[in-house]
Amino acid sequence: QKEVEQDPGPLSVPEGAIVSLNCTYSNSAFQYFMWYRQYSRKGPELLMYTYSSGNKEDGRFTAQVDKSSKYISLFIRDSQPSDSATYLCAMSANTDKLIFGTGTRLQVFP
Amino acid sequence: GAVVSQHPSWVICKSGTSVKIECRSLDFQATTMFWYRQFPKQSLMLMATSNEGSKATYEQGVEKDKFLINHASLTLSTLTVTSAHPEDSSFYICSAQQGTSGRSGQFFGPGTRLTVL
Repeated sequence: QKEVEQDPGPLSVPEGAIVSLNCTYSNSAFQYFMWYRQYSRKGPELLMYTYSSGNKEDGRFTAQVDKSSKYISLFIRDSQPSDSATYLCAMSANTDKLIFGTGTRLQVFP
Repeated sequence: GAVVSQHPSWVICKSGTSVKIECRSLDFQATTMFWYRQFPKQSLMLMATSNEGSKATYEQGVEKDKFLINHASLTLSTLTVTSAHPEDSSFYICSAQQGTSGRSGQFFGPGTRLTVL
């Protein structure tokens, strides 16, 4: 079993839709949770960073962490074609090492 | 803020040659930098953790003599792929950590695409 599981997609939605991206994990020591966006042939860009459980909102993006269920989510409201990318979840315990999910490819069509 | 650059962005080389990739944190000091490789449609695989002024820590299965890492300053780390072979062709991405622990998150460079002929 992988430490972090993420549905690879692709996920295809119309412009304006609400997108839900999810990851599950097995290591209860994870405390820091991140979402990265990666465009094709580019490095990942940090979107959201959350410590422990709870919600965090930044513009159209909301990150949720449920440590009791070992489940994290990223919601994108009013999705735009420019949101089309691969979204990677990443997490760490109280160390420097990040464990990444495989990434979910999102396509937002006009 | 938190900008990381990589150079070159792409490189093509002949089998048996060595290639050096630079990673720079432009607007912050990074005591720790990380090197990843990514194959098409796959996630990032950590190769090594680089700490300024000390030897890099390599992940299991990564040959330290083949992937030489130097972290000579707080803003620069280099990865040298020695005696490159076609199977080393990949997308290499560095990241830099702002702050002294994983709590700050990592900021990634744009990546270097290496093609070995």
